[in-house]
Amino acid sequence: GENVEQHPSTLSVQEGDSAVIKCTYSDSASNYFPWYKQELGKRPQLIIDIRSNVGEKKDQRIAVTLNKTAKHFSLHITETQPEDSAVYFCAAGYSSASKIIFGSGTRLSIRP
Amino acid sequence: DGGITQSPKYLFRKEGQNVTLSCEQNLNHDAMYWYRQDPGQGLRLIYYSQIVNDFQKGDIAEGYSVSREKKESFPLTVTSAQKNPTAFYLCASSTGPSTTEAFFGQGTRLTVV
Repeated sequence: GENVEQHPSTLSVQEGDSAVIKCTYSDSASNYFPWYKQELGKRPQLIIDIRSNVGEKKDQRIAVTLNKTAKHFSLHITETQPEDSAVYFCAAGYSSASKIIFGSGTRLSIRP
Repeated sequence: DGGITQSPKYLFRKEGQNVTLSCEQNLNHDAMYWYRQDPGQGLRLIYYSQIVNDFQKGDIAEGYSVSREKKESFPLTVTSAQKNPTAFYLCASSTGPSTTEAFFGQGTRLTVV
């Protein structure tokens, strides 16, 4: 069945440093890979997404890379700031079945 | 704010009782989803619906039931058969197949005592 694995489960970085979160997926039919940020007590919100016909996408300090052959994708946050502290979820979806499978989440803490 | 509303925000029920969680959206989205969030386990899919009068089981459907009689509404019933119902429940919707952004409700925290 479909599965998305996410690592690490917790991550602490110094303010200004970079953070990287990695995910792997099992279903080769997956063609959509969003990343969500959930701040404490709030709902998850999309921060960036990538489709299977693209290898990399960047939006200011956030970037996502996709390796279809290896079936893994990563979130990169550069110049981290205190407001980046949150739980981040990766996910995989595919158009043949209307469901989105999420990873287990990464709790990112930014040290001042 | 987001166009998808869950109610109530907090819900307490006695063990053995069924309880229904509400999810309404005014985004004209075809697809709707229910997820359960437990600490350290991410978002696990309970049920999803691609269109009115149709829904599919997710990974942890046992002990839950849903209906999709209207495009705007996708209520989730937590039955007495669900062994560990205490959790945070999130509803989401998207325009169609799972290749577009999902918008989440604010969640319902269910506590069974």
